[in-house]
Amino acid sequence: QITLKESAPSLVKPTQTLTLTCTFSGFSLSTSGVGVGWFRQPPGKALEWLALIYWNDDKRYTPSLEKRLTVAKGTSKNQVVLSVTHMDPMDTATYYCAHRPVVGDAFHLWGQGTMVAVSS
Amino acid sequence: SSELTQSLSVSVAPGQTASITCGRDNIESKNVHWYQQKPGQAPVLVIYRDNKRPSGIPERFSGSNSGNTATLTISRAQDGDEADYYCQVWDTNIAVFGGGTKLTVL
Repeated sequence: QITLKESAPSLVKPTQTLTLTCTFSGFSLSTSGVGVGWFRQPPGKALEWLALIYWNDDKRYTPSLEKRLTVAKGTSKNQVVLSVTHMDPMDTATYYCAHRPVVGDAFHLWGQGTMVAVSS
Repeated sequence: SSELTQSLSVSVAPGQTASITCGRDNIESKNVHWYQQKPGQAPVLVIYRDNKRPSGIPERFSGSNSGNTATLTISRAQDGDEADYYCQVWDTNIAVFGGGTKLTVL
């Protein structure tokens, strides 16, 4: 059974760096084709894809935020970390991670999400 | 255009069929995926690669993709189908989402 769970501080101040952790089970990020994606959703707004890390450590980012994002495998084999620099109140959102089992495929299973507010 | 166009809202009577569309030039050249998101919950994949259903998704959910429009069809709509629905494609390793369609069952 595949599960994913996001963790992050619930509140960060403007200009700070947000670090999100996705802890997963039931699959290996070393398996060929597997990817873990990150997404966010501001209150009342649409889903937005942020980043993807592949089994081979290749990475992709949404162009509009690429300069502020860094995705990496965690120190534990079952974790992926996303950093977002220069946080702004506009970055207030629920952040999700999700499992993509095959290159070019959909995100089949999602974490429950974690809400992050940006305020001084 | 790289954007995916979805109607803001669709309404359907219980027991009837709802069609939610996702538009883009030549979208038929892409695999389209559909996600359901109920209020306060994480997205759930309901259709992948145009017309495939993940295990556990009712047969009432189906998908098609032709020309410039991909369609998610929900037959025999139920109250529990009320949700936001998002389409998604890949553009050279960049995930693109539509703006979402709110389905109301009334």
